[in-house]
Amino acid sequence: DIQMTQSPSSLSASVGDRVTITCRASQTISTYFNWYQQKPGKAPKLLIYGASSLQSGVPSRFSGSGTGTDFTLTIRSLQPEDFATYYCQQSYSTPRTFGQGTKVEIK
Amino acid sequence: QVQLQESGPGLLKPSETLSLTCTVSGGSIRSYHWTWIRQPPGKGLEWIGYIYYSGSTNYNPSLKSRVTISIDTSKKQFSLKLTSVTAADTAVYYCATEDGEGGLNIWGQGTMVTVSS
Repeated sequence: DIQMTQSPSSLSASVGDRVTITCRASQTISTYFNWYQQKPGKAPKLLIYGASSLQSGVPSRFSGSGTGTDFTLTIRSLQPEDFATYYCQQSYSTPRTFGQGTKVEIK
Repeated sequence: QVQLQESGPGLLKPSETLSLTCTVSGGSIRSYHWTWIRQPPGKGLEWIGYIYYSGSTNYNPSLKSRVTISIDTSKKQFSLKLTSVTAADTAVYYCATEDGEGGLNIWGQGTMVTVSS
């Protein structure tokens, strides 16, 4: 199985801050990589697919980058509705695997 | 736009079989990988497996001996069976679609399944 390791596990930030979350795969996965946002009691929501493509309807303050083993999710200017848990996921091979999550909290 | 809705019992006893159904509305079932994912309380996401409309399946090896995913295209439903459940199988179970880009782009609302004696 491909292991996905996110960092940090949690972070505190203020509205307007630039936030960066990283994810590392245990082997190269090209750009078969996705980011999700999950709010309490809700299903995850796809934000970024193919490492850098913005899912339809997702605000442009979200962006993704990376290829191979190292990937980054950036939120350009954090908004109140962005406080949530973010997960990375590889879709290079099965079983699909997720990172452990990064909880973004209000400072 | 495709919508998904999970259904099934919310409480099971140890050793019983978990059976969930996901009903597809608003689109064709003859596309996507139809996927099951679960999330234990307070924990992360675990991929269970998927099925294509043709019936081909792919399961997580950690669950493979206990899992069956099936599809009924006429009813626009796909189903999950997990045998010999234990408390470790307590989780919110989600159905989702994996599109051609590999992202899980549509999710059901999730259904909580508790295993307790």
